[in-house]
Amino acid sequence: GAGVSQSPSNKVTEKGKDVELRCDPISGHTALYWYRQSLGQGLEFLIYFQGNSAPDKSGLPSDRFSAERTGGSVSTLTIQRTQQEDSAVYLCASSLASPGAGRETQYFGPGTRLLVL
Amino acid sequence: AQSVTQLDSHVSVSEGTPVLLRCNYSSSYSPSLFWYVQHPNKGLQLLLKYTSAATLVKGINGFEAEFKKSETSFHLTKPSAHMSDAAEYFCVVTDRTGNNRKLIWGLGTSLAVNP
Repeated sequence: GAGVSQSPSNKVTEKGKDVELRCDPISGHTALYWYRQSLGQGLEFLIYFQGNSAPDKSGLPSDRFSAERTGGSVSTLTIQRTQQEDSAVYLCASSLASPGAGRETQYFGPGTRLLVL
Repeated sequence: AQSVTQLDSHVSVSEGTPVLLRCNYSSSYSPSLFWYVQHPNKGLQLLLKYTSAATLVKGINGFEAEFKKSETSFHLTKPSAHMSDAAEYFCVVTDRTGNNRKLIWGLGTSLAVNP
C-alpha cells in the first residue's frame, strides 16, 4: 500500500481498560507522528519519532499514554486505564525526514476512532 | 512563537460562488504553510503548500492560496464552489528552520456548500 494505514479503524472500550492503536507509515518515511482530534477540534500533537533519535513526547497528556516505534517503521500508541475524556480520533502521520522545503509534508492515515464508555 | 489563526470557524457558500477561507499566521522566520482538507469520515489530505517558491500556490481541486508576507496571511480561495468541497479545512504553519514536529495547526474552518 502506498499510504499510511492505521488499525483498528474503530475501537470501543470500557473505562479502565488498556488499548493499543497501530500505525504503519509510508515506506521510506523516517518521521512518524501521533495526533489526537477531539470532536470539532483541531489536531493535538502527541508524540513524534524521527529515525533512531529519542522521541519527542512533549505532547502526551498524561503518563497513561505511551508509544513505541519498532524497527523504525510500525508504531503503537498505548493508552492505559482509559478514561472517557480519551475518546477521540487518533491520527498517525508520516513524512520524509528533516525540515526543509518540500520534505515536511505529512501524510495522514485514516485514524482510529476511540470511544471509551 | 509561531501561531496560526483561522478567522472563521464556519463558512457557508452557494454552489458556483467563490470560496474564501482566511488564515493568518505568526512566525519568526520564513514559514512553510499548508492547507489540509478533511472530508467527513475520511483522512486528512494535503490541499496545497507554500515553501518559499511562488507566492501564489495552486493546489488540488481548483483551490489556490496566496502567501502575503506583509499581511501575514495565507488565505485559501476557489473561484467556484462545488458540493464536494464541503469539508473541514485546516491551515498549518511550520518554521523551516525549526523542527518539523512543531507544526502548528489552526482550529479548522467548516465549509458548507448549499445547492
